[in-house]
Amino acid sequence: AQKITQTQPGMFVQEKEAVTLDCTYDTSDQSYGLFWYKQPSSGEMIFLIYQGSYDEQNATEGRYSLNFQKARKSANLVISASQLGDSAMYFCAMSPNHNAGNMLTFGGGTRLMVKP
Amino acid sequence: DVKVTQSSRYLVKRTGEKVFLECVQDMDHENMFWYRQDPGLGLRLIYFSYDVKMKEKGDIPEGYSVSREKKERFSLILESASTNQTSMYLCASRGGTLDEQYFGPGTRLTVT
Repeated sequence: AQKITQTQPGMFVQEKEAVTLDCTYDTSDQSYGLFWYKQPSSGEMIFLIYQGSYDEQNATEGRYSLNFQKARKSANLVISASQLGDSAMYFCAMSPNHNAGNMLTFGGGTRLMVKP
Repeated sequence: DVKVTQSSRYLVKRTGEKVFLECVQDMDHENMFWYRQDPGLGLRLIYFSYDVKMKEKGDIPEGYSVSREKKERFSLILESASTNQTSMYLCASRGGTLDEQYFGPGTRLTVT
C-alpha cells in the first residue's frame, strides 16, 4: 500500500519569498510517479509538476521545483518568488507506474497563505 | 485545453434520496476517476473506470456505484444518500504526456 504524508496543515509566506511544502511517501514499488496539485478556493485541482522515480534530475516548471530525495522518500515542492495568487491548498500525490489505471494516492494537503 | 465538467457545483439532497453526479470529459481519455475530498484526509478514490462499461473499486466504494455507458461520461450514484456522504466530489480523467489527471471543478454535496 502507498501512503503520502504532508505534515504542514497550514503555512504562511511573505510575498516574493520562497517556500517549501513538505511531502514524504511510503511505497514498496521501485517505479512510481510523484505529482503536485494546487487547489484554489474555486475548487478545481490544477496539475503543477511531476517527478518520476527514475528521473535523476529534479523536476522544474517555472517557479515550481521539486526537491526529490529518493533515499529519504521525500518530494518537497519549492515555490520561488511567492505571489498572492499562490494562496491555495497544495496536494502531493503518488501513482505506481505499473498500474494501468494510474490511481493516485493523495496526501492530506497543505494550505498556503501568501501575505502581502 | 482538456475540459472536465461536472453537472453541478452545489447540491443539497435529503437522506435516503438517490443522487446522480455526472462527469464529462472532452479529450477521449480512457481512464476516469471519482474522488471525495474531506478536510485533512485529502482526496480518496471511490471508483475508477478504464473503459466503457468497465469499473474498479477504489479505496472507499461503500455506498456508491458508478456507470460508464459512453467513453466521455462517468456517473457517480449514491443509492441512498446519508449524512456521512456530505463532501466535495471530484471527477478526473487521465491523459497527457505525463499521464497526469485532469480534474473537474467539483460538486459540493450536502445531505440533510
